[in-house]
Formats: sequence, C-alpha cells, structure tokens
Amino acid sequence: GESVGLHLPTLSVQEGDNSIINCAYSNSASDYFIWYKQESGKGPQFIIDIRSNMDKRQGQRVTVLLNKTVKHLSLQIAATQPGDSAVYFCAENPPGNQFYFGTGTSLTVIP
Amino acid sequence: DAGITQSPRHKVTETGTPVTLRCHQTENHRYMYWYRQDPGHGLRLIHYSYGVKDTDKGEVSDGYSVSRSKTEDFLLTLESATSSQTSVYFCAISERAGRQPQHFGDGTRLSIL
Repeated sequence: GESVGLHLPTLSVQEGDNSIINCAYSNSASDYFIWYKQESGKGPQFIIDIRSNMDKRQGQRVTVLLNKTVKHLSLQIAATQPGDSAVYFCAENPPGNQFYFGTGTSLTVIP
Repeated sequence: DAGITQSPRHKVTETGTPVTLRCHQTENHRYMYWYRQDPGHGLRLIHYSYGVKDTDKGEVSDGYSVSRSKTEDFLLTLESATSSQTSVYFCAISERAGRQPQHFGDGTRLSIL
C-alpha cells in the first residue's frame, strides 16, 4: 500500500504569522493531491487540490506547492487565525479512484 | 457543505453483535466510500461503491460488508463486531473516480466493548 506521511505531528504558530505544513508522498505515479482540514469531532474538509502538471496553486489565504522531484507537498496558510487550528493532512491519488491519506499535522494558533 | 449524513453519530456495543452504519447523500454522486480513522494511521479505505449494487473492497475490508440499494444510501455492516473495529468511521462521496476531491461526512464514533 501507499505510505503518505512524514508530517510533523504538531505545529504551533502565533496568530497573524504564516504557517507551513509539509507532507511527503510515496508513489511517483500519483497525479493528483489534496489538502484536508479536520476539526475535532468533524469530518475532513477539502481545502485545496493540485494536479501533477502544476507546481503551485493558490486559494484564499492558502497555497499548495508540489515538488515532484522529491515527492513533497506543502500547504502554506497566510496570516494564520485561531479558526485555522485543526489537523491538516494530505492525500495522494495514483491513477484510479483510490486515495492514500497522511496521518496529519495538528496546527495550534496562539492568540 | 456536501449533503452527507452519517447515522448514528455515536454507538457503543458489545463484541459479537452486528452493527450497521448508514451514509446518506443528497448530491446524487456516483461514488461512495467507507473509511476508518485510527490514531497513528491515515484514513484507510474499507469498501467503496461505484453505483447501485456495485461495490468493491478496499485496503481493510476484512470483517466488513457493504450494500448500496439506492444511489443515496451506502450501508456498512460489521457482521460480528470485534474490539479491533473500535474506530471512527467516515463516509465520503465523489462524482467521479479519482482526480477530484472526496467530500466527507462528520463520522460515526463506534466503540466495541
């Protein structure tokens, strides 16, 4: 099976600072990637995705960077807010319909 | 938010009893998935469905069965629950297979004593 991980288990940032959350994926054939946010007691919530033909994609306050050479994905959150506190995890999608999910990084925003 | 409802949200039961979890969607998506989430593991796929009466196994399917008699409903059954099946179970849906997000329900927390 796939192995998606190498997350830092926890990350603490000051409110207003930028956050960077990293993820390594294992399958060089994966051509689609997603970042999810999961708050306590809730299901994963889609944040942003990127296809393998792109290196960078921006959303509202979030940016995903993809480095296929080293099989690395990162999520940047600008001006981090208390509402951003959650667990963030990445998912990789090799050709087909199966996704493989990382274990996640718990982000704590310090007011 | 995607219209996905999981029921029950919490359940405590005893080893050896049958358990059925329900996922209901209002999005008319073709694909539905059941995952389990455990500490130290990413979400792991149990079973998925690609249409009414069309299902297939995932990574951790042993001890689980599924059924999909209507587009909107996907049931997960533990025929004889074991303590190792204590977990949080998530249902997800997607319009197509791969290359687009799966959207998740809020989960069922299942404890087997």
